[in-house]
Amino acid sequence: ETGVTQSPTHLIKTRGQQVTLRCSSQSGHNTVSWYQQALGQGPQFIFQYYREEENGRGNFPPRFSGLQFPNYSSELNVNALELDDSALYLCASSSPGLEETQYFGPGTRLVVL
Amino acid sequence: AQSVAQPEDQVNVAEGNPLTVKCTYSVSGNPYLFWYVQYPNRGLQFLLKYITGDNLVKGSYGFEAEFNKSQTSFHLKKPSALVSDSALYFCAVRDRTGGSYIPTFGRGTSLIVHP
Repeated sequence: ETGVTQSPTHLIKTRGQQVTLRCSSQSGHNTVSWYQQALGQGPQFIFQYYREEENGRGNFPPRFSGLQFPNYSSELNVNALELDDSALYLCASSSPGLEETQYFGPGTRLVVL
Repeated sequence: AQSVAQPEDQVNVAEGNPLTVKCTYSVSGNPYLFWYVQYPNRGLQFLLKYITGDNLVKGSYGFEAEFNKSQTSFHLKKPSALVSDSALYFCAVRDRTGGSYIPTFGRGTSLIVHP
């Protein structure tokens, strides 16, 4: 069984730039969620994808967008980067259902200068 | 709205002693509750969850948690702490009857186990 993988592991960008983060879900999982974890904070839910469609979104602006592909891998895109976007971005995969456990990837550390 | 509180930023315990990491929650309906652990520069690892049934849930690495509906708590416990248990612990809640499946995480509690 392959776990959740994310790329890249680290990324440095400047304000105003755009970034794409990638996630491969654990085998057998068709639901992917993205989280932002700022330093010293718990993960904040960005959005969730199920069968290639967004089916839930947290309190994040539209410049945070995503995609899910037929193989259930996913991308998180952030446009017009701001300094406050500096964080660890976590991807989690699961089977659908509120009771289902989410399995997290190692994260992508984004630094915006 | 749902919320999770982890009232202690840090818990210190000696190796071999029992440990407790506290979590209280608020949901409009009934909760699904989760505990995760995070090691430095790593993602979150699942420890255990409460879905329904027995209030005492056993999980990975000897951890357990007790669901207390009247006190809206889900404290994480371990009878004998190990130095390797030192990490950041997160409690999370999902409201299974309130209509929102967006999970809410606490701010985390840093557990330090001293040799």
